[in-house]
Amino acid sequence: AQKVTQAQTEISVVEKEDVTLDCVYETRDTTYYLFWYKQPPSGELVFLIRRNSFDEQNEISGRYSWNFQKSTSSFNFTITASQVVDSAVYFCALSEGYTNAGKSTFGDGTTLTVKP
Amino acid sequence: NAGVMQNPRHLVRRRGQEARLRCSPMKGHSHVYWYRQLPEEGLKFMVYLQKENIIDESGMPKERFSAEFPKEGPSILRIQQVVRGDSAAYFCASSPPGTSGSTDTQYFGPGTRLTVL
Repeated sequence: AQKVTQAQTEISVVEKEDVTLDCVYETRDTTYYLFWYKQPPSGELVFLIRRNSFDEQNEISGRYSWNFQKSTSSFNFTITASQVVDSAVYFCALSEGYTNAGKSTFGDGTTLTVKP
Repeated sequence: NAGVMQNPRHLVRRRGQEARLRCSPMKGHSHVYWYRQLPEEGLKFMVYLQKENIIDESGMPKERFSAEFPKEGPSILRIQQVVRGDSAAYFCASSPPGTSGSTDTQYFGPGTRLTVL
């Protein structure tokens, strides 16, 4: 069975601080995909990144970076120099390549509040 | 390119009524997924459909819920005889055709917020 754990329920930082959101996953498949989504107060889900299990290269996109470590089954997300507009709920998700193809399992989300 | 469209955005029903939620996938996408988000929780998978076929409905409640994705027209999630516990945000996602639904990113619609009075 696949499982995603986001241990941090809520995080509050002051603008310009760096913040890391943790994501730990469980899967029996060797082929799987990991995602991060942002859900701002307006409620829609915004896709941020997709990573497959064969690509452990870390990725940077502007102020966002992702650290994928298969050895610890983690896919952490860091926001550098946070801004008020980063305030949202962030979801980590896992999709298996074969066993449960098509089904994404989401963590419960981390609510990030960035204060001015 | 229009994204995934869902309507209505907000739906209010009284207990016992039927709710119909519609989802139009992105152009060129043939895989549709429905998820439910209860208040203060993450998204929970409900069903995965391709045109005219239900591929995986392991997350669908056994009673009152059904989904379809006809050859023409949007995908429909239907909830019969709604109860207060059905109040939630229902998200639809779509992905392009491929060998496996999970090999492609799922793009989400804005959701339908169902309130059962």
